[in-house]
Amino acid sequence: IAGITQAPTSQILAAGRRMTLRCTQDMRHNAMYWYRQDLGLGLRLIHYSNTAGTTGKGEVPDGYSVSRANTDDFPLTLASAVPSQTSVYFCASSEGPAGGPKDEQFFGPGTRLTVL
Amino acid sequence: AQSVAQPEDQVNVAEGNPLTVKCTYSVSGNPYLFWYVQYPNRGLQFLLKYITGDNLVKGSYGFEAEFNKSQTSFHLKKPSALVSDSALYFCAVRVYSSASKIIFGSGTRLSIRP
Repeated sequence: IAGITQAPTSQILAAGRRMTLRCTQDMRHNAMYWYRQDLGLGLRLIHYSNTAGTTGKGEVPDGYSVSRANTDDFPLTLASAVPSQTSVYFCASSEGPAGGPKDEQFFGPGTRLTVL
Repeated sequence: AQSVAQPEDQVNVAEGNPLTVKCTYSVSGNPYLFWYVQYPNRGLQFLLKYITGDNLVKGSYGFEAEFNKSQTSFHLKKPSALVSDSALYFCAVRVYSSASKIIFGSGTRLSIRP
C-alpha cells in the first residue's frame, strides 16, 4: 500500500541519548517534512526538504538534524535528546514543494517520543 | 507576523445540525489556505485548499470552506454533521519568508453528539 511509514511507533529515551526517527515514502514525492505536535500548539515544522539532496529549517529546528540522501527517506536525528523534545513527531510528503500546485501533504502515522 | 489562528479549542454539535469550524489568517501576499483532519492516533489527512477563484471550496467527506478576504477568514463548514466527523481539525496557510512554508493552526476538536 502506497504511503508513508514511520519507525519506531513509540520510544522512551533517556536524556542525552542520540535518536533517529525514520521516515520512508513510496509515492516518489519530491518534498518531505518533519513536524512535532504538542497539545495546544498544533503542528510545528522542524525541517523540510523540497527535493533529494536539499534541506531547510522550519519553525523549530534547534536540536534536530535531517538528511535527504534519496527521494524516499528523510530521517530526523536528535543528537542529544532533552525532555522538551517529548512530543509526537509526524513525517509528511507532497508531490511538489509548499506553495506549488501539488503541495497537499500526506502524513505518516507518527512517532510518540518520550525523553526522560 | 504571518500566522493562522483557530479561536475555538472545541466545537460541539448535534448530529444532523450544520457545523462551522473557524479559522482566521494573516499573510503577506495572496492567501493560500488548507484544511486538514486528524482522527485519533492517525496522521493528518488533507480535506481541501483555496488558491484562487470561487470563495466556496468543496472538499472531502462533504466538507466545504468559505474564503472571506475582508474578514481574513477561511471557515470550514458542513450542512449536516455526522458522528464520524468527530476529530481534530487544522487550518493551515502558506507563508513566505526565505522560502514557501505551510504553517498550521493549533487545531479545533470537533465533537458530534448522537
